[in-house]
Amino acid sequence: KQEVTQIPAALSVPEGENLVLNCSFTDSAIYNLQWFRQDPGKGLTSLLLIQSSQREQTSGRLNASLDKSSGRSTLYIAASQPGDSATYLCAADNFNKFYFGSGTKLNVKP
Amino acid sequence: DAGVIQSPRHEVTEMGQEVTLRCKPISGHDYLFWYRQTMMRGLELLIYFNNNVPIDDSGMPEDRFSAKMPNASFSTLKIQPSEPRDSAVYFCASSKSREYEQYFGPGTRLTVT
Repeated sequence: KQEVTQIPAALSVPEGENLVLNCSFTDSAIYNLQWFRQDPGKGLTSLLLIQSSQREQTSGRLNASLDKSSGRSTLYIAASQPGDSATYLCAADNFNKFYFGSGTKLNVKP
Repeated sequence: DAGVIQSPRHEVTEMGQEVTLRCKPISGHDYLFWYRQTMMRGLELLIYFNNNVPIDDSGMPEDRFSAKMPNASFSTLKIQPSEPRDSAVYFCASSKSREYEQYFGPGTRLTVT
């Protein structure tokens, strides 16, 4: 069974800092990997989706990479802002099964 | 588009009662997912449909849970009878296909007393 792990569980950084969130998975036979953000009391918002044949995806200040051989994905946030404060979750699509990490709670301090 | 619509947003019920959660996916999306989120277990996939057909229901915790998708624009998740441990936020999500992002609804917060 796929296991998705996100470390650290929480992260606090000053505004303007570049940061990296980590996601690791045990089964490399994934169809794609998706990054979401969740604000308190809200649903999830999709940020980036990386197909298994891709190495990375970019959207604005966000860049997500995927390395299936090592079972890792990273989400890079450039020039962080207080509005980036949220919980970030990654999810692996294993061909008919979907597995979510427990998330990294990010706090960007003004 | 209005996005994924879920109702009710909040539900408080007593143990043993039947609970029905509703979801309207984004028009044109072929995939529909039901998730449950709790502090203890995080986000769990319960069941998902492709073109109204259930593909994987292995996440449905017990026979007390059932889900239907009678047409492309409507799905229900039913719990009968409900128990306090079913208290959670239930999310519905939809996507165009496996190659596209999932879009989540705002969730239904269920409290079973």
